[in-house]
Amino acid sequence: GENVEQHPSTLSVQEGDSAVIKCTYSDSASNYFPWYKQELGKRPQLIIDIRSNVGEKKDQRIAVTLNKTAKHFSLHITETQPEDSAVYFCAATPSGNTPLVFGKGTRLSVIA
Amino acid sequence: DAGVTQSPTHLIKTRGQQVTLRCSPKSGHDTVSWYQQALGQGPQFIFQYYEEEERQRGNFPDRFSGHQFPNYSSELNVNALLLGDSALYLCASSLSPGKMNTEAFFGQGTRLTVV
Repeated sequence: GENVEQHPSTLSVQEGDSAVIKCTYSDSASNYFPWYKQELGKRPQLIIDIRSNVGEKKDQRIAVTLNKTAKHFSLHITETQPEDSAVYFCAATPSGNTPLVFGKGTRLSVIA
Repeated sequence: DAGVTQSPTHLIKTRGQQVTLRCSPKSGHDTVSWYQQALGQGPQFIFQYYEEEERQRGNFPDRFSGHQFPNYSSELNVNALLLGDSALYLCASSLSPGKMNTEAFFGQGTRLTVV
């Protein structure tokens, strides 16, 4: 089955700097890669996703890149703000929809 | 438009007891997936229900069972609770399998504590 590895487990950046979180996956059949943000005590919320027919997607300060050959994808947050502090999860799913296989998460701290 | 709702939000049970958690999917969604999220970990897939049947199952023992009702709502049952079952249980709803991959919307979760 699919296995998703996520790095780093914790990340601290200064406000205004960029943050990058990387994930690798094992199943070449995976074709949907969402990123979720989970604030303390709250539900995971989708912040951006990418499908295997696209190499990059951007939404304001957030971007995701996908390298299908290397089986890795990354989340890029630019101009970080304190409200970006949260746990971020990457996920992958083989064709056909959920279930999602999640990475173990990255705790991002943005220091003002 | 209500999102995914789960009940209860918190629950404390004793080892050996049984528990039932409930989930109502987002309006328009017909597929419900359940995940277990241990502290400091990513959500782990338990099972998925579609058309009132369990369609896919993760690596969880038979003590974990579920049900989906005609209105697409779902229950997760856990028997013979163990201390290790303490976790946040998340329900996610989506459109039916076979459609183009779609976003999974999560509920706020049920925090289960087994003592």
